[in-house]
Amino acid sequence: DIVMTQTPLSLSVTPGQPASISCKSSQSLLHSNGKTYLSWYLQKPGQSPQLLIYEVSSRFSGVPHVFSGSGSGTDFTLEISRVEADDVGVYYCMQATDLPRTFGQGTKVEIK
Amino acid sequence: EVQLVESGGGLVQPGGSPRLSCAASGFTFSRYWMHWVRQVPGRGLVWVSRINTDGSITNYADSVKGRFTISRDNARNTLYLQMSRLRVEDTALYYCVRAGDGYNYFDYWGQGTLVTVSS
Repeated sequence: DIVMTQTPLSLSVTPGQPASISCKSSQSLLHSNGKTYLSWYLQKPGQSPQLLIYEVSSRFSGVPHVFSGSGSGTDFTLEISRVEADDVGVYYCMQATDLPRTFGQGTKVEIK
Repeated sequence: EVQLVESGGGLVQPGGSPRLSCAASGFTFSRYWMHWVRQVPGRGLVWVSRINTDGSITNYADSVKGRFTISRDNARNTLYLQMSRLRVEDTALYYCVRAGDGYNYFDYWGQGTLVTVSS
């Protein structure tokens, strides 16, 4: 199985400041079709996860431009350019290049 | 509006065999791969199973293989997870999830149904 490792596991951010979460995979997520299937999800308190980013850097419909994804191979990053109170929750990366689908442990983001 | 509504959870004894259902609406259900993902409250997300559009392809996590069966009824817009030989460690919130176009990300999640395995 592909192991997904997120860092940090928790993050306390001042409103308006940027935040960055790293996600590393135990093997390359580059699929034989040339695409890289790395996505990011936010699980707000008491809610189901919601899709933010797919295929490394494509924002899902309705996701604010403050969220951006980057990376390749085994190293990926989610950046929030200006954290707001509504961005608190647990962020997960997930790989869909291989079965089983696997998630990172999650990064809990809170506001200072 | 895409909606996924799970049901069928509850308190189950070890060894039990509940069936989870997921009623889908707001999209053409038969065109999408569907998945089940579970989460122990307070813990991370774990993929359980997936099924293709017509039900001819299914895959499972090793932890549930041989005990869980995913299926779908496209006429009823419903996804199922037949669980059997349940263990205490199967206790979790089970989410019904739609795979997006290209089926390599999860674009819509249900609210989840909690399965508690305890004697």
